[in-house]
Amino acid sequence: AAGVIQSPRHLIKEKRETATLKCYPIPRHDTVYWYQQGPGQDPQFLISFYEKMQSDKGSIPDRFSAQQFSDYHSELNMSSLELGDSALYFCASSSNAGTGSYEQYFGPGTRLTVT
Amino acid sequence: KQEVTQIPAALSVPEGENLVLNCSFTDSAIYNLQWFRQDPGKGLTSLLLIQSSQREQTSGRLNASLDKSSGRSTLYIAASQPGDSATYLCALGAGGTSYGKLTFGQGTILTVHP
Repeated sequence: AAGVIQSPRHLIKEKRETATLKCYPIPRHDTVYWYQQGPGQDPQFLISFYEKMQSDKGSIPDRFSAQQFSDYHSELNMSSLELGDSALYFCASSSNAGTGSYEQYFGPGTRLTVT
Repeated sequence: KQEVTQIPAALSVPEGENLVLNCSFTDSAIYNLQWFRQDPGKGLTSLLLIQSSQREQTSGRLNASLDKSSGRSTLYIAASQPGDSATYLCALGAGGTSYGKLTFGQGTILTVHP
């Protein structure tokens, strides 16, 4: 079965640079979520999209932005990177329309290292 | 704001033991609850999903229960194996316009030794 795809898997950037993370949800899933997991931390919700519209927003810095495109893939854009942005970034998708279960399926994550 | 606590933080058991991982939460207005497994530096694998109207779910050697009134969930692992060693996370799915965004506990680090 198809899973959530994230790219790149690893990314190294310097402070103040910009990074773009991509997520391709499971086919026919209508909702995408982004989470950030710092070292030794639990995943923290950043932002979600339902049918290409932002549906909820968590503790996402103003330096970060995200969108979902017509083909349902999503991108997380991170600017003015700081050392503290080093983390695992997960994308998850779910099927929420109608009788959708909201069960979230996670991608393998992108490990971002800011030096 | 939903707060999720997992006890114990770490657990080490010999192979073959049955064990229980606990998860408590403060806001019972949830849509669902998911238990995940995470291997070091890896992604999250969904183990079980319990809808808010359900009391338990089973998958193989795993059984998860949900008691919304007391704000608790338990994950029961039968006949543990070394391959079960991982971090186990419970996550509460919010309802309404949150479309099920998850709030995670800190996890229980499980080590099963041969």
